[in-house]
Amino acid sequence: EPEVTQTPSHQVTQMGQEVILRCVPISNHLYFYWYRQILGQKVEFLVSFYNNEISEKSEIFDDQFSVERPDGSNFTLKIRSTKLEDSAMYFCASSDSGELAGQETQYFGPGTRLLVL
Amino acid sequence: RKEVEQDPGPFNVPEGATVAFNCTYSNSASQSFFWYRQDCRKEPKLLMSVYSSGNEDGRFTAQLNRASQYISLLIRDSKLSDSATYLCVVNTNYGQNFVFGPGTRLSVLP
Repeated sequence: EPEVTQTPSHQVTQMGQEVILRCVPISNHLYFYWYRQILGQKVEFLVSFYNNEISEKSEIFDDQFSVERPDGSNFTLKIRSTKLEDSAMYFCASSDSGELAGQETQYFGPGTRLLVL
Repeated sequence: RKEVEQDPGPFNVPEGATVAFNCTYSNSASQSFFWYRQDCRKEPKLLMSVYSSGNEDGRFTAQLNRASQYISLLIRDSKLSDSATYLCVVNTNYGQNFVFGPGTRLSVLP
């Protein structure tokens, strides 16, 4: 069964450093997402990406964050200058077009656990 | 008011019990609804989409009440393997902003 993969599984970084989290979505999917989940809290939407551009983003997704699809398979989340409060699990997800916009089933990757010291 | 709210839990039930989870959403323009389950330190996995007419998948039944902005999930004959956190997810418009509820933790006890 096709699945979303993410690398690395864990990353430890110093405050102020840049990190890039990588995701390989399911190959025929068109929509890509990043979410984060701070330990013990709910899953929070960061950004969605379609047709090589951001389609929606949340208030969390400020100028420190960026996303890119550098080639036909990878989807990356960059945090330019990490803060302590960026420590969380970051999930990538992808979905196909679905019959109606908003009806897409999202498949999540296993996550990258980011720890900012 | 929070966008998506769920029973705070946790729910501790014996094997074989029937358990119901409730979820309410604040945006009346919400268009699609889902239940996900999340095991400890794992990614959310889709359990089922929720349709207006209600839908059933084996031991799981989901209901949607648009007038009350309320979604439910019923698990019958609960198994030990049903122990997880159940997440209510709402798509607030025709875009791709999926809002997760805080989740309700279920522990099925032998």
